Amino acid sequence: EAQVTQNPRYLITVTGKKLTVTCSQNMNHEYMSWYRQDPGLGLRQIYYSMNVEVTDKGDVPEGYKVSRKEKRNFPLILESPSPNQTSLYFCASSPLLGELSYEQYFGPGTRLTVT
Amino acid sequence: AQSVTQPDIHITVSEGASLELRCNYSYGATPYLFWYVQSPGQGLQLLLKYFSGDTLVQGIKGFEAEFKRSQSSFNLRKPSVHWSDAAEYFCAVGSMEYGNKLVFGAGTILRVKS
Repeated sequence: EAQVTQNPRYLITVTGKKLTVTCSQNMNHEYMSWYRQDPGLGLRQIYYSMNVEVTDKGDVPEGYKVSRKEKRNFPLILESPSPNQTSLYFCASSPLLGELSYEQYFGPGTRLTVT
Repeated sequence: AQSVTQPDIHITVSEGASLELRCNYSYGATPYLFWYVQSPGQGLQLLLKYFSGDTLVQGIKGFEAEFKRSQSSFNLRKPSVHWSDAAEYFCAVGSMEYGNKLVFGAGTILRVKS
């Protein structure tokens, strides 16, 4: 089954404790992206990657890091989480193929709470 | 800069009534348009998309949307709402002018009353 998986699905942590949210896709997609969803703000892009070793900032990259060492994986790293990073996070992927590049497949989401 | 506006934060409709969710966008180039639905505690599911061609597009679950270039709108409609349609709906827009990024609206929460 074609899918994007994220782990963990739920995470409660404390300020300053480094954490990683993993994202993996099995569709051989070149493009992967991270979004955060906050009430009243919709989804905002954090980082994206066009291919292995190619990453770039989205609209709200502060406080986050990413890496793309393998095509299927795109982990989101919070080096020193703060309460304002409490949010619902989505990973997405798509092929780089004309119009289909915009049809993104989303993971189930990770709800992060930073206390 | 590109932007997407969903003017209605909440909408309540009776089961069996018709539904229209509004979406307006601000883009310089030809947009690619999407509607996603998020049921409580769930991820995002693609309802329908518009790339080109017929401006009235059909999606899953009986939804349709109409692209009106002159109004910069892509409103989502359903003729008869079911209680299971209660969810949050997001309009999203992409354009080659801005790479592969999708810009999302703030969402509209649909409540269905019986």
